Amino acid sequence: SQQGEEDPQALSIQEGENATMNCSYKTSINNLQWYRQNSGRGLVHLILIRSNEREKHSGRLRVTLDTSKKSSSLLITASRAADTASYFCATANNNDMRFGAGTRLTVKP
Amino acid sequence: DTEVTQTPKHLVMGMTNKKSLKCEQHMGHRAMYWYKQKAKKPPELMFVYSYEKLSINESVPSRFSPECPNSSLLNLHLHALQPEDSALYLCASSRRTSGDGYEQYFGPGTRLTVT
Repeated sequence: SQQGEEDPQALSIQEGENATMNCSYKTSINNLQWYRQNSGRGLVHLILIRSNEREKHSGRLRVTLDTSKKSSSLLITASRAADTASYFCATANNNDMRFGAGTRLTVKP
Repeated sequence: DTEVTQTPKHLVMGMTNKKSLKCEQHMGHRAMYWYKQKAKKPPELMFVYSYEKLSINESVPSRFSPECPNSSLLNLHLHALQPEDSALYLCASSRRTSGDGYEQYFGPGTRLTVT
């Protein structure tokens, strides 16, 4: 079953703009991970943030985690057409991993 | 080698058939996973193997039977499936289980159609 919700469900922006996606979850977690999926293909890991971390950066990606609100956000800066994909947050707890509903991002050239 | 391979890429089977999906990794990962993904939905966890032992079985119907013959291989045996089982089946692996802070590496998936 799904862990939580992501919003927006779909986001359309112009190349060069920033994209922000939010994720909420319901249970306690060890860490939260973000993945990208191009249409009908396997998922690619983007970034992992542990439950005792509040913010993490990797290249053009910035992730925040607020465990008191059980929420996370993913910011992609200076977006490119190649960033067009679905983005999923996933919460990890022991052996379990649950994915959010996902945000479909379209970056127009 | 950071690749997870899955075979076949596509599979069409009748409701009375028996088939198997295969997944392989050579990264020395000790956790392997099966997910089911319907169109425009997130992946749903089906099974987790940790050190070749089944550690999570998400109340998946018995017509799906997982097998982990060794630390590099993961199979999913299919029998008497229903049309609603048509989906993308994804295999993933991680160095240890994701709760310990390890990212998962996904294969490209097997697109299954049950007729």
